[in-house]
Parts: sequence; C-alpha cells; structure tokens
Amino acid sequence: GAVVSQHPSWVICKSGTSVKIECRSLDFQATTMFWYRQFPKQSLMLMATSNEGSKATYEQGVEKDKFLINHASLTLSTLTVTSAHPEDSSFYICSARTLGQGGNQPQHFGDGTRLSIL
Amino acid sequence: EDQVTQSPEALRLQEGESSSLNCSYTVSGLRGLFWYRQDPGKGPEFLFTLYSAGEEKEKERLKATLTKKESFLHITAPKPEDSATYLCAVLMVGGTSYGKLTFGQGTILTVHP
Repeated sequence: GAVVSQHPSWVICKSGTSVKIECRSLDFQATTMFWYRQFPKQSLMLMATSNEGSKATYEQGVEKDKFLINHASLTLSTLTVTSAHPEDSSFYICSARTLGQGGNQPQHFGDGTRLSIL
Repeated sequence: EDQVTQSPEALRLQEGESSSLNCSYTVSGLRGLFWYRQDPGKGPEFLFTLYSAGEEKEKERLKATLTKKESFLHITAPKPEDSATYLCAVLMVGGTSYGKLTFGQGTILTVHP
C-alpha cells in the first residue's frame, strides 16, 4: 500500500520551456502533498506544501511564479517549472501524506523526476 | 535552532558485519521520527516511524530505536542489497499542521560481499 507515482521520470528540454511533473497517490487519498528538490549527494530540500483545493505554501526562497503547484484532487498534484533555465536542472521528488489524527502520518515518496535543461 | 544530524556520513561494511547508524536531533518538541531508505536515482522508501522514547520497530535485518535525543538504525548481518542512503527525518511539535519534515543529511551505507 501507499504507492506514489511520479511522471515523467526523466525530462530533457531546451531553456525557456515549461515542464509539468505529475504526482499521483495510487491507492490512498492524499490530503497533503509535498514537493522537494534534491541536489547531488545532498538531502531533500522542501520547496512547497500543497493541500487539496487550496493554494500551496512555499518555503522561503522558492519563487511561486517559477514553480506553479496545483493540487486539484485528493490523488493528483502537479508541479510546473515555468520558463525553465539550466539552473533549474535538478532531481524533483514529490511525496503524499494521508489525513490522520495529529497529522503525524509518514510521507510516501514518488521515484522522482530528473530534469535537465539545456 | 532545530537540527537533525546523522552519523557517520558514510559507512562501509562487510557482508554479515552488524553496525548502527545514528540520528541525533535537537528540536523543541518531537511528534515523530521517520527512517527512509533511498537508492540512487529513486525517491525515499519509508521504513519506520517512531513516536516516543523507548519505542522500537523491526523489519527484517533493520531495527530502529528512539531516545529523547537520538535514534539508532541497527543493521544485523547486512547483505549487499542493504546498500543505500539511509535518511532520518523529524516532525516537530512546533511545525505546521501540514506535517513538514526536517531531514538529516543521510548515511551512505555500502555493504561488500
């Protein structure tokens, strides 16, 4: 149980292109989804938190106009990197969490998207 | 300042050589501590949740324990397939209700046959 699917797994595109990444919870309803960025040999850096039906909460230093997040249903969240540039190249990972008492359920992660901007 | 520190950064073991990974935390209040395993090019895979000091969880060759200041991930008789980066993350009392995690830097475990 608790499977999170992330698509695509790998994207290569030209500078200036917008890229959309999908994150789906396959066998549970995810009231909250999270988007992370991971640089080589570093830990996960939280970019934003999204709740179904409401605006995402972005971490300090993350440009909300650059990284658009939509959480339209209890099983789907999308991250769109707008007008991507080489410095946006990274490994993006989503996670999903079920609703539960105290909000202390574990997050379950997708397999990430490797984004390379030429 | 709330911090999560994992040690060692890297650990090399021979197959069958048991050892422990450490995750120490200095947070204002702990709601939960999570262990994950991450393989190269993949997302983290959930292993354990620990909620209170004294709690222990086991899964195959792995055993996680928790005190008021740190958690240990004990690996008994490891196999090469246990090679991965092990991440711990804490959920704090003072965090937002959305369950934001603070991750340690991870321990890279390599098990040689």
